[in-house]
Amino acid sequence: GESVGLHLPTLSVQEGDNSIINCAYSNSASDYFIWYKQESGKGPQFIIDIRSNMDKRQGQRVTVLLNKTVKHLSLQIAATQPGDSAVYFCAEINQTGANNLFFGTGTRLTVIP
Amino acid sequence: GAVVSQHPSWVICKSGTSVKIECRSLDFQATTMFWYRQFPKQSLMLMATSNEGSKATYEQGVEKDKFLINHASLTLSTLTVTSAHPEDSSFYICSARGTRDSRYEQYFGPGTRLTVT
Repeated sequence: GESVGLHLPTLSVQEGDNSIINCAYSNSASDYFIWYKQESGKGPQFIIDIRSNMDKRQGQRVTVLLNKTVKHLSLQIAATQPGDSAVYFCAEINQTGANNLFFGTGTRLTVIP
Repeated sequence: GAVVSQHPSWVICKSGTSVKIECRSLDFQATTMFWYRQFPKQSLMLMATSNEGSKATYEQGVEKDKFLINHASLTLSTLTVTSAHPEDSSFYICSARGTRDSRYEQYFGPGTRLTVT
């Protein structure tokens, strides 16, 4: 499988602050990346995606940055809310074969009220 | 939006018995379904990929005779854990990719918690 890892396993932020979750990937051939949010006992929930021909993509309160030179991905959450508390995974698609998703280790985000 | 369901949401079984988990795409046809396993505080690990009407493709290290996958229709895939043992206790999550979506989009089910006693 692919090697997709996260730098920090846990992150605690104050409510209202911005959060930054980082991810490193190893397969330079991957052409698509996705951030997922997983709440306890539930399946992953799609947050935002980015293709390898982009370096930034913005959604509602979230921004994903892609640095292909150093194979690094980040998720920025603006004005973090208690409902953002969850585990966040980055995932990459290997463009060869069946286009399977490979998940990183995950970062647990805890928002302090 | 595309919805994927799983049944049961949780199951407890005795060691040596078999358990079947269903994964359904409720409002789209899933040409490809994926099965993942997630141990506590760990990431999702892909177990196998199945295309409707074809045999599943298993990831390295996943026993195909132990984890039987059937993708008999465009809306249903099943995972059967045969002769379950306590080490098979895990959170099993399916996802589906449909014909109407881009080649990359996958929709995840809510997961099934399996506990083997």
